Amino acid sequence: KAGVTQTPRYLIKTRGQQVTLSCSPISGHRSVSWYQQTPGQGLQFLFEYFSETQRNKGNFPGRFSGRQFSNSRSEMNVSTLELGDSALYLCASSLDRVGNEQFFGPGTRLTVL
Amino acid sequence: AQSVTQLGSHVSVSEGALVLLRCNYSSSVPPYLFWYVQYPNQGLQLLLKYTSAATLVKGINGFEAEFKKSETSFHLTKPSAHMSDAAEYFCAVIADSGNTPLVFGKGTRLSVIA
Repeated sequence: KAGVTQTPRYLIKTRGQQVTLSCSPISGHRSVSWYQQTPGQGLQFLFEYFSETQRNKGNFPGRFSGRQFSNSRSEMNVSTLELGDSALYLCASSLDRVGNEQFFGPGTRLTVL
Repeated sequence: AQSVTQLGSHVSVSEGALVLLRCNYSSSVPPYLFWYVQYPNQGLQLLLKYTSAATLVKGINGFEAEFKKSETSFHLTKPSAHMSDAAEYFCAVIADSGNTPLVFGKGTRLSVIA
């Protein structure tokens, strides 16, 4: 079974631009979560989508948004990029059962110049 | 609300020595607990998880963890460190009360010295 895939793997943008990251979950997984990982803040939860609906949201500004499609693939968008948005963005998918482990993709490394 | 504290942001051990990475959690309801490992430039890989079936949980690569409710701890151990164990390790908790996000600790970087 194929794992979680994320595209692109690396991205360089400049301040003020916007970016869209993509995540394809493991087949059969309907829950997709996004995390931001930085050296200073560690792993921070952005949001979770299930059946095309945002089910949980972390404490990030409205510049961070996401969506999920009917095939469970998910995208996240960051508008008006800031230098502090430079991070590894991780996507994880899971079966929709409480306590089920999340399976992570390799991440997208975003650098904002 | 749940939270996780990992004691020690960096742990260094000699090859062949015991590995002990500490994790304490806070949860108002019975938790599910996880240990993940992250190698450089990669995503997170699940090492093991606690789901109340047994307090001693065995995972991949020779790692195990023991759930101690009285101490609210879930420390990760491995009897003999290998060079390939050098990585960052994350403890995480999720409440057994519905669909809430996974909460991660800050991580512990493990170095193995030859």
